Amino acid sequence: EVQLLESGGGLVQPGGSLRLSCAASGFTFGSYAMSWVRQTPGKGLEWVSTINFSGSSTYYADSVRGRFTISRDNSKNTLYLQMNSLRAEDTAVYYCTKEAPVLSGFECWGQGTLVTVSS
Amino acid sequence: QSVVTQPPSASGTPGQRVTISCSGSSSNIGSNTLNWYQQFPGTAPKLLIYSNNQRPSGVPDRFSGSKSGTSASLAISGLQSEDEADYYCAAWDDSLNGWVFGGGTKLTVL
Repeated sequence: EVQLLESGGGLVQPGGSLRLSCAASGFTFGSYAMSWVRQTPGKGLEWVSTINFSGSSTYYADSVRGRFTISRDNSKNTLYLQMNSLRAEDTAVYYCTKEAPVLSGFECWGQGTLVTVSS
Repeated sequence: QSVVTQPPSASGTPGQRVTISCSGSSSNIGSNTLNWYQQFPGTAPKLLIYSNNQRPSGVPDRFSGSKSGTSASLAISGLQSEDEADYYCAAWDDSLNGWVFGGGTKLTVL
């Protein structure tokens, strides 16, 4: 059974940093692209970032480019999101997702971790 | 404002057939496959339809998807009370080099 377990969320002040982790199990982690998707409480879904299977290619939403960094450690089956210069508008539940091949969507989702940016 | 547009709400009565539309552009829906997600309050989204019209294992065949040009739609036949949820469409955008989601449609079963 595929499992994605996020951790690292919490309360941080504006301008601060936080690193999210996603521990994956139940599949060959190093064979799949992975992504982060966030959802502001009570609102819609927003794609944040994607990393390919090897980590050699990364993609970012304009809203986070230059502030967030996605990475992965295939030896540890773990996905990361380093978030710097956090803003109030980054407050959201952050989901770790496993991508299906050939742009066939986010086929598995973690339970999410809440990031709150507030003074 | 989302690059991909969905109606904010839809409704139907049990047993009815309802459709939810999703409209985009040539750089997203017009160029790439479209996926649909279902989300219940307080839970993570779930992939409902992938590659325009394919159902993952376990998704009832009451759910179907279609795409034409830069638009797509999700149809739910034989509507049931447990179908009440939020539905999102999404596609890769070649211009933005990233995924774009529709704003979501809240389906109410009357």
